[in-house]
Amino acid sequence: DSGVTQTPKHLITATGQRVTLRCSPRSGDLSVYWYQQSLDQGLQFLIQYYNGEERAKGNILERFSAQQFPDLHSELNLSSLELGDSALYFCASSPRGRGSYNEQFFGPGTRLTVL
Amino acid sequence: GQQLNQSPQSMFIQEGEDVSMNCTSSSIFNTWLWYKQDPGEGPVLLIALYKAGELTSNGRLTAQFGITRKDSFLNISASIPSDVGIYFCAGQLLNQGGKLIFGQGTELSVKP
Repeated sequence: DSGVTQTPKHLITATGQRVTLRCSPRSGDLSVYWYQQSLDQGLQFLIQYYNGEERAKGNILERFSAQQFPDLHSELNLSSLELGDSALYFCASSPRGRGSYNEQFFGPGTRLTVL
Repeated sequence: GQQLNQSPQSMFIQEGEDVSMNCTSSSIFNTWLWYKQDPGEGPVLLIALYKAGELTSNGRLTAQFGITRKDSFLNISASIPSDVGIYFCAGQLLNQGGKLIFGQGTELSVKP
């Protein structure tokens, strides 16, 4: 158990819908990261938040957004869903925003299926 | 964009054999991490490397941070059936926050 929790474990929805994925980081970690894992693209970085502020951004679609709340949990919002958004979505957390000795620990993931 | 080339893509070995996999890139990384992922689960951190030339062990696993900062390898000695899974390298670049770039993974199968 990494100490990172994600809910829900599975999510099945229809095209055009909107969903919210939730992540709670390890106790004491200030950074939260979101990654998408699909068969054709592998593990891709989406976005990082550090202590409530956006720190780094990857190839995150405009239909996707995230935020980190004062209690440091984070939510990833996916809207206008398309079939191609079906994937595993992982949250990871680390103690700091950047630099060495800042290992990322991953949660169990949310499997999103868009029908 | 930055890419990590991980090889081999898959390995089929006999229990007790040693395994080696590596990652290379055209970019310079300041951190290399190795993860293992079981089906339907999140990646689990195995080893973290922070200095060029650094050699670090975790039980039967040994990993090294390449001198050029552009590559890393992971060795598993005396493999056992529970080593089965997908192994990923991940690198962190300077000045890009904590963003990790992942290799494509090496799928390891161990025959008892």
